[in-house]
Amino acid sequence: DTEVTQTPKHLVMGMTNKKSLKCEQHMGHRAMYWYKQKAKKPPELMFVYSYEKLSINESVPSRFSPECPNSSLLNLHLHALQPEDSALYLCASSQGGLAGTDTQYFGPGTRLTVL
Amino acid sequence: GEDVEQSLFLSVREGDSSVINCTYTDSSSTYLYWYKQEPGAGLQLLTYIFSNMDMKQDQRLTVLLNKKDKHLSLRIADTQTGDSAIYFCAEPLSGGSYIPTFGRGTSLIVHP
Repeated sequence: DTEVTQTPKHLVMGMTNKKSLKCEQHMGHRAMYWYKQKAKKPPELMFVYSYEKLSINESVPSRFSPECPNSSLLNLHLHALQPEDSALYLCASSQGGLAGTDTQYFGPGTRLTVL
Repeated sequence: GEDVEQSLFLSVREGDSSVINCTYTDSSSTYLYWYKQEPGAGLQLLTYIFSNMDMKQDQRLTVLLNKKDKHLSLRIADTQTGDSAIYFCAEPLSGGSYIPTFGRGTSLIVHP
């Protein structure tokens, strides 16, 4: 199984809503990532979890709150988002090696629209 | 991503070769990567090259690295319509990291 799954595929939310994005992998990977991708732009790294601990936070606003309940699951909790937060949110995982080609496997993404 | 530059579009005929070019900035990058993103999908690592290599071939893919000019290219031989996608060049977030930071991506359009 080399699949990273993400739910939901699409999400429409208002600025006052609270929602969560979910990501799951069963490859035994110990590193998981959230990226944000705007239309016609490259993915931008948001958060990295390594062995269930947050290791990188790329200065993301606090209205995005990541959570890694166990090594297979990664959540992104959303609260009080702005319309400019509308984007494709990509989850990825990798074995978590410290060096070398620690290949990232990407999920298909959640298309988020904030009204 | 701002420091990794790529042309935005490339259009080729089916059966021709495609060459996608990229320039990067960090001369200490240990690895350089090419990712593919099909419409509505996540990214897929296509291939990577170690910085101590000049060339890597993997079936229809050939990667060329010119460290002096910080130039990376991806050649796809016998391009097929299924190769239509966005191709991202990427270098690690920092010299010793493996986390990729992406260029803007090149949209490859393959005409029958």
